[in-house]
Amino acid sequence: AQSVSQHNHHVILSEAASLELGCNYSYGGTVNLFWYVQYPGQHLQLLLKYFSGDPLVKGIKGFEAEFIKSKFSFNLRKPSVQWSDTAEYFCSVKSGGGATNKLIFGTGTLLAVQP
Amino acid sequence: GAGVSQSPSNKVTEKGKDVELRCDPISGHTALYWYRQSLGQGLEFLIYFQGNSAPDKSGLPSDRFSAERTGGSVSTLTIQRTQQEDSAVYLCASSLYSGGNNEQFFGPGTRLTVL
Repeated sequence: AQSVSQHNHHVILSEAASLELGCNYSYGGTVNLFWYVQYPGQHLQLLLKYFSGDPLVKGIKGFEAEFIKSKFSFNLRKPSVQWSDTAEYFCSVKSGGGATNKLIFGTGTLLAVQP
Repeated sequence: GAGVSQSPSNKVTEKGKDVELRCDPISGHTALYWYRQSLGQGLEFLIYFQGNSAPDKSGLPSDRFSAERTGGSVSTLTIQRTQQEDSAVYLCASSLYSGGNNEQFFGPGTRLTVL
């Protein structure tokens, strides 16, 4: 069965610090990978996604993620965080085979950015 | 246009009662999903509808949970004989169609509290 692990449950950073949130998945086949973000009081929304092609994916608000197939990883990065990046971040995976469209999510990482 | 809407936003019920949660997907979206977000457990897939195909019910935790989607649009998730462990935020998402490069758009969720 597919699973997603997010290693950091709670991260506290100062503004302008660099961010890297770890995400590993377990699935041997073709995968589609996503990072979702949930800002306080708001809906879950898509930050970025990887389906194929360039393994370095750029998303909204200066975020990027790198798919490393050999490591089954899809870590999220941002070179300089802002207070407005305070949110909960979820990594998720979907089988790329098309048999199902359900997303498997990690447990989330709560990021607090201090001004 | 309007996003995914869910009602009620909050529901408090007593153990043993039945509850119904409603989801209105984005107009024209053929795929609809239900997820559950429990404290410390991330988001858990429950059920997925795609057009007129049989739903993927593989994530429903017990036979107390059921869902239907009428007319290919609105969906209702029903939990019978609620238990305290059913307390969670229930999220609905929709996508234009399933598979491929399709983003799932999430609603605001229904927070269910079982006393």
